[in-house]
Amino acid sequence: GAGVSQSPSNKVTEKGKDVELRCDPISGHTALYWYRQSLGQGLEFLIYFQGNSAPDKSGLPSDRFSAERTGGSVSTLTIQRTQQEDSAVYLCASNVQGVQETQYFGPGTRLLVL
Amino acid sequence: KQEVTQIPAALSVPEGENLVLNCSFTDSAIYNLQWFRQDPGKGLTSLLLIQSSQREQTSGRLNASLDKSSGRSTLYIAASQPGDSATYLCAVGDSGTYKYIFGTGTRLKVLA
Repeated sequence: GAGVSQSPSNKVTEKGKDVELRCDPISGHTALYWYRQSLGQGLEFLIYFQGNSAPDKSGLPSDRFSAERTGGSVSTLTIQRTQQEDSAVYLCASNVQGVQETQYFGPGTRLLVL
Repeated sequence: KQEVTQIPAALSVPEGENLVLNCSFTDSAIYNLQWFRQDPGKGLTSLLLIQSSQREQTSGRLNASLDKSSGRSTLYIAASQPGDSATYLCAVGDSGTYKYIFGTGTRLKVLA
């Protein structure tokens, strides 16, 4: 079956603009994660959705970052008033049982803020 | 706070060598530990997952061990090939925070 998909694959924007990044998880996966990977760094947790529970937003670096998940499937990560330090690869992953099993990653969105 | 460290940060070996990548973590309260592979410009692919009650997992030329009490895991790659060149990341499923905590990775290059 289809894996996790993300769009766009690449995004170049100007400082101060808003961007939206999309993640389509594997069908039936109730858990969805967003991570940020800056150049040469490990993955930084951003936000975690599990079913109908309130999302864990503890990793969002500032109030410019927000995410939503509609209908328990597709998720959108929004970055408002982008800054140059937001340039990174944004990765999405999904699974069913959260931290108790492996997670399946999408290919990522490479964001460059000029 | 759980912290995950990987050494070395980079490794270059000739084809055919056996090699060991290291991962250490500071809090033994984990659900599991995973090793991932990341190719340039791509997402992560899970290689092996070791549950906290297990000591090791094997898949083909890969063997991962887990010593939870000492906070260490190793990924052993036998008879390395140029196609093994990638960044290898370890991640722990942290039972305190219900999150995956990732190391910064080991960048492996296998020379033909």
